[in-house]
Amino acid sequence: SSELTQDPAVSVALGQTVRITCQGDSLRRYYASWYQQKPGQAPVLVIYGKNNRPSGIPDRFSGSSSGNTASLTITGAQAEDEADYYCNSRDSSGNLYVFGTGTKVTVL
Amino acid sequence: QVQLQQWGAGLLKPSETLSLTCDVDGGSFSGYYWSWIRQPPGKGLEWVGEINHSGSTKYNPSLKSRVTISVDTSKNQLSLKLSSVTAADTAVYYCARVHLAPDWFDPWGQGTLVTVSS
Repeated sequence: SSELTQDPAVSVALGQTVRITCQGDSLRRYYASWYQQKPGQAPVLVIYGKNNRPSGIPDRFSGSSSGNTASLTITGAQAEDEADYYCNSRDSSGNLYVFGTGTKVTVL
Repeated sequence: QVQLQQWGAGLLKPSETLSLTCDVDGGSFSGYYWSWIRQPPGKGLEWVGEINHSGSTKYNPSLKSRVTISVDTSKNQLSLKLSSVTAADTAVYYCARVHLAPDWFDPWGQGTLVTVSS
């Protein structure tokens, strides 16, 4: 079973803010990275480290962390942000990787 | 800019061995770790394992007895073999470059759908 837990689905009105959370004990020690996946496409990195965006990722995407919870926030959600989002981090041992269960974001 | 191009057999019978290759083009191969990640249809992502340029590997414990990841540094390629496949191994398989401390996966290959069916 996955060691990183995400809400299965969230919805957000166009232009509003949505926060996606990822919970797991390993997040007390390791940063999460976040991936956006649209249907039929490979995942795309959107946030890594403390709060870093790769080149080309809009600044409406941001990351944060507190205790055992990492969060991805989309401020001013756009229609093109509708996708599945996955967190990833090391597992409790620190030797391996684990993905979160995934969150489907719907933009209304 | 690094690009990952992957290929391999897309249809297997139960008990056969899955074999995929990922070619790394346009960037450094040595000095990085490389991972395989899979996604069953309609389900989430699962980390399969990783390897560095010197051949040091780590595997998902749930697959460890069946999986082998290798590298060919002369060709800047990594490979995945998964033996004794079953229908549960049906998935899209991705290769990805691993960045360490903090950790993240980027870029990813385009994905290869492997279907196991009798």
